[in-house]
Amino acid sequence: QKEVEQDPGPLSVPEGAIVSLNCTYSNSAFQYFMWYRQYSRKGPELLMYTYSSGNKEDGRFTAQVDKSSKYISLFIRDSQPSDSATYLCAMAGDMRFGAGTRLTVKP
Amino acid sequence: KAGVTQTPRYLIKTRGQQVTLSCSPISGHRSVSWYQQTPGQGLQFLFEYFSETQRNKGNFPGRFSGRQFSNSRSEMNVSTLELGDSALYLCASSLTLEGSPLHFGNGTRLTVT
Repeated sequence: QKEVEQDPGPLSVPEGAIVSLNCTYSNSAFQYFMWYRQYSRKGPELLMYTYSSGNKEDGRFTAQVDKSSKYISLFIRDSQPSDSATYLCAMAGDMRFGAGTRLTVKP
Repeated sequence: KAGVTQTPRYLIKTRGQQVTLSCSPISGHRSVSWYQQTPGQGLQFLFEYFSETQRNKGNFPGRFSGRQFSNSRSEMNVSTLELGDSALYLCASSLTLEGSPLHFGNGTRLTVT
């Protein structure tokens, strides 16, 4: 079993939809949780960073962490074609990344 | 504030050659990590440096090496290139070793023919 599991998708949604991206993990030592967005031919860009259970909101993005269930989510509201990218979850202690979910938002 | 800068952006090499990639971290960041990214394997950790010392190393052969200079700039070297080394090599910097999020450069795309 991998330490971090992320559905690779691909995920395709219409513009304006709410997108839910999810990761599960097995190592309870992870204390910090991140979401990265990676556009084609670019490096991953930090979207969200949190270290506690609960929700953290930033504009159209909400990161949710449930340490008891070892589950993290990223919600994107009112999705836009510019949100089309690969989204990677990451967690630390020792940094671990999910495989990434490829998202396409269709106009 | 300038982001993480990686040079060159693209490289084409032939099997058996060696290559050196360069990374300049965000000003004030002392930790630099290197990752290999391929479609099939995702992001794979190569090594991490902090204050010129290698702190962690991933599961890669000894052909992959790196170093960090006193100004926190880092280089990685791959010797005796193999076709399977073709990948996007990403450098990331962070303020500290643990807990600080990584900030990535745009990578060096290496193609081995």
